[in-house]
Amino acid sequence: EIVLTQSPATLSLSPGERATLSCRASQSVTSYLAWYQQKPGQAPRLLIHDASDRATGIPARFSGSGFGTDFTLTISRLEPEDFAIYFCQHRTTFGPGTKVDIK
Amino acid sequence: QLQLQESGPGLVKPPETLSLTCSVSGGSIINTIYYWGWIRQSPGKGLEWIGNIYYSGSTYYNPSLKSRVTISVDTSKNQFSLKLSSVTAADTAVYYCVRQVGNKEFDYWGRGALVTVSS
Repeated sequence: EIVLTQSPATLSLSPGERATLSCRASQSVTSYLAWYQQKPGQAPRLLIHDASDRATGIPARFSGSGFGTDFTLTISRLEPEDFAIYFCQHRTTFGPGTKVDIK
Repeated sequence: QLQLQESGPGLVKPPETLSLTCSVSGGSIINTIYYWGWIRQSPGKGLEWIGNIYYSGSTYYNPSLKSRVTISVDTSKNQFSLKLSSVTAADTAVYYCVRQVGNKEFDYWGRGALVTVSS
């Protein structure tokens, strides 16, 4: 069973800063990795699929990269609405999440 | 626009059976690309996949829950359902119904249904 590890657990940044989130898989998942954003009281929202493809309606400031075991979600300039928890996912496995909060 | 909506009791007594239904609107469950499933999230915890069903009725379950889970589909009503038997307090969670693209990403989610297990 593949295990996904996310780092850091919490990322404290200011609006306008760049956020870099990491997801590492215990074995290769090729490019089959997705990223989600979850805000309090809401369902997760798909941001990125196939490691680097933005889902419909997702702003260009969100980008994904990586292949194999190491993946990155980058938010180029944080907007106030971007402070949330971010999960990575492969098939039926989710990472524990990274919380991006306001510094 | 596709929409998924969970419905069912918000309170279940142990060791009864939790039952939820997901109604799909804006698109048909009968589609060769997608799987339909359930994911839960315990308070303050991460996301746990429960299982999926294909429109034909083929099912796939999380091994840790397999003995207690049944997912079924009713294509005539464009709905699918979850039953989780012998519940305990550990099953208290928000239950989401979802659509999965093949065995890849979950692209549509319901708003979630909080189910509390308590006597």
